[in-house]
Amino acid sequence: QSALTQPASVSGSPGQSITISCTGSSSDVGGYNYVSWYQHHPGKAPKLMIYDVTKRHSGVSNRFSGSKSGNTASLTISGLQAEDEADYYCSSYRSSGTYVFGPGTKVTVL
Amino acid sequence: EVQLVESGGGLVQPGGSLRLSCAASGFTFSDYYMTWVRQAPGKGLEWVANINEDGSDKYYEESLKGRFTISRDNAKNSLYLQMNTLRADDTAVYYCARKGYRDYWGQGTLVTVSS
Repeated sequence: QSALTQPASVSGSPGQSITISCTGSSSDVGGYNYVSWYQHHPGKAPKLMIYDVTKRHSGVSNRFSGSKSGNTASLTISGLQAEDEADYYCSSYRSSGTYVFGPGTKVTVL
Repeated sequence: EVQLVESGGGLVQPGGSLRLSCAASGFTFSDYYMTWVRQAPGKGLEWVANINEDGSDKYYEESLKGRFTISRDNAKNSLYLQMNTLRADDTAVYYCARKGYRDYWGQGTLVTVSS
């Protein structure tokens, strides 16, 4: 069982904005600015989208943005597109060199 | 171009061992932290282990300590994961990735633990 929680699914229509939350504790998300987000299309390698809470990885569209408040980090996708349909995972540093992933959120473009 | 290519997966019986490899190219391997992550069928991503640039510091998911060992050979630009006493719930696709926050990933190698 993951120490982080994410909604199982989020959906939106093309052009809309959606937000995926990632809730942890003061021992992980709230304690460090080392939250990252990954997009994963089944059968393919995961792709880094956001790292260090807010930094966009090279080549990632500026439609993707990250933020954090307290023990909850968020990934916002604006101007939703069909190609954004995928699983999204958050990850946080937790202590002593270890990391944890959230359970993942399936994004559906209606 | 950064490339990570995993190998060594396959079918192994419960209690058996397997050594995964990850061949790195397109960057100075010895300058980077490396990571193993796995995904069991129908499940989410799970962090497995990290190793620092010179291999002197290693970190593991608590539940895997004692069975899994991460290592690297900077002369061969290669990362390894030695897996012992394998169990059915170790069945997963195993990915290697660069850096603690995993900026580049390999395509993964499938490990199936079954009799």
